[in-house]
Amino acid sequence: DAKTTQPPSMDCAEGRAANLPCNHSTISGNEYVYWYRQIHSQGPQYIIHGLKNNETNEMASLIITEDRKSSTLILPHATLRDTAVYYCIVRVASTGNQFYFGTGTSLTVIP
Amino acid sequence: DGGITQSPKYLFRKEGQNVTLSCEQNLNHDAMYWYRQDPGQGLRLIYYSQIVNDFQKGDIAEGYSVSREKKESFPLTVTSAQKNPTAFYLCASSTGPGPIQYFGAGTRLSVL
Repeated sequence: DAKTTQPPSMDCAEGRAANLPCNHSTISGNEYVYWYRQIHSQGPQYIIHGLKNNETNEMASLIITEDRKSSTLILPHATLRDTAVYYCIVRVASTGNQFYFGTGTSLTVIP
Repeated sequence: DGGITQSPKYLFRKEGQNVTLSCEQNLNHDAMYWYRQDPGQGLRLIYYSQIVNDFQKGDIAEGYSVSREKKESFPLTVTSAQKNPTAFYLCASSTGPGPIQYFGAGTRLSVL
């Protein structure tokens, strides 16, 4: 599985969009980009995933660059409850094995 | 409601003692996983099971054991051979090799 690079921490004002970047320059053609988040002392929560196209669901949007070497998770209107550690993971969908969670980005939403 | 239930939420282990962490899911998922998380660190895979009566070691299986006698249950035993067991333990499940893993709320294990 390809490695990812994320900034260790970010702040965002409440109500504003939070844009969390992720670099995955060694991603291969069959690897998906997944985003999870972990609120303090809880289990990780799935947010969204994608292969090539941009994706949107009720929680967030995922923007993947055309060369797939980087992506951005967008929380359109951040709330205090979005304060968490956000993990970007690249992985082949069919391996059936683990997700390699790194140290992620600690997002703090500021009132 | 469907989900993954881990118990207990907090657990204390004495020196030389084996302890068992429970993980139950009612999502009808085939695959289940155990991860360990240390403070400020990412998750590391201990064991995983893709079907009943079968499981494989992850990256840090030493000092741990598991069983998968039922589809719904995947208990993890932290044995006395695990010299540094203090950590946050997370159980997850997925629909076979599916793309999404769903996590329980975790068990925090400490050593007395």
